[in-house]
Amino acid sequence: AQKVTQAQTEISVVEKEDVTLDCVYETRDTTYYLFWYKQPPSGELVFLIRRNSFDEQNEISGRYSWNFQKSTSSFNFTITASQVVDSAVYFCALEDSSYKLIFGSGTRLLVRP
Amino acid sequence: NAGVTQTPKFRVLKTGQSMTLLCAQDMNHEYMYWYRQDPGMGLRLIHYSVGEGTTAKGEVPDGYNVSRLKKQNFLLGLESAAPSQTSVYFCASVGSGPINYGYTFGSGTRLTVV
Repeated sequence: AQKVTQAQTEISVVEKEDVTLDCVYETRDTTYYLFWYKQPPSGELVFLIRRNSFDEQNEISGRYSWNFQKSTSSFNFTITASQVVDSAVYFCALEDSSYKLIFGSGTRLLVRP
Repeated sequence: NAGVTQTPKFRVLKTGQSMTLLCAQDMNHEYMYWYRQDPGMGLRLIHYSVGEGTTAKGEVPDGYNVSRLKKQNFLLGLESAAPSQTSVYFCASVGSGPINYGYTFGSGTRLTVV
């Protein structure tokens, strides 16, 4: 079965701390895509990254970085030097072979000043 | 502005009433989706469409119907609303082909059934 697990329901950190959001997935497909989305308090879904299953290189974008490890079926997201504006719900998602996005339950991140 | 537009943004229904949520995209995307978001459960797929005139069931289709008569529009219908359908509904679209940077989501429709 296709499944995405975000075991951390809520994380609270103090500004400038680094924080890692975990994502573990299950899939039978050999080719798949993984995504991270951010949902700020305003409610919209903001696309952060899309990663192909054949590309295991880590990705860095400013304070954001992603660690994709096929061996452990994980696609973790790290925010370095967190800021209050990073407070949001973050969703990890898996695109299956029929172009459907399967979401994890989300991790709520609270960054306190 | 290009993107996915959902109407209405908010709605309150009485139990048993019907309504239709409209999703429109202007990116010529083949694939369109309806999700619902409930606290602690992430987004769950209701129905989806892989092209004009086609629809398919997702994870939680009961109580909903959909239609895709035009490529740019995807309608979600509730024939007889129930309190369990109180949720935030998101529409999304994505194109096929070699360039696909991510699914585009609408801003959501907050539906309350009383």
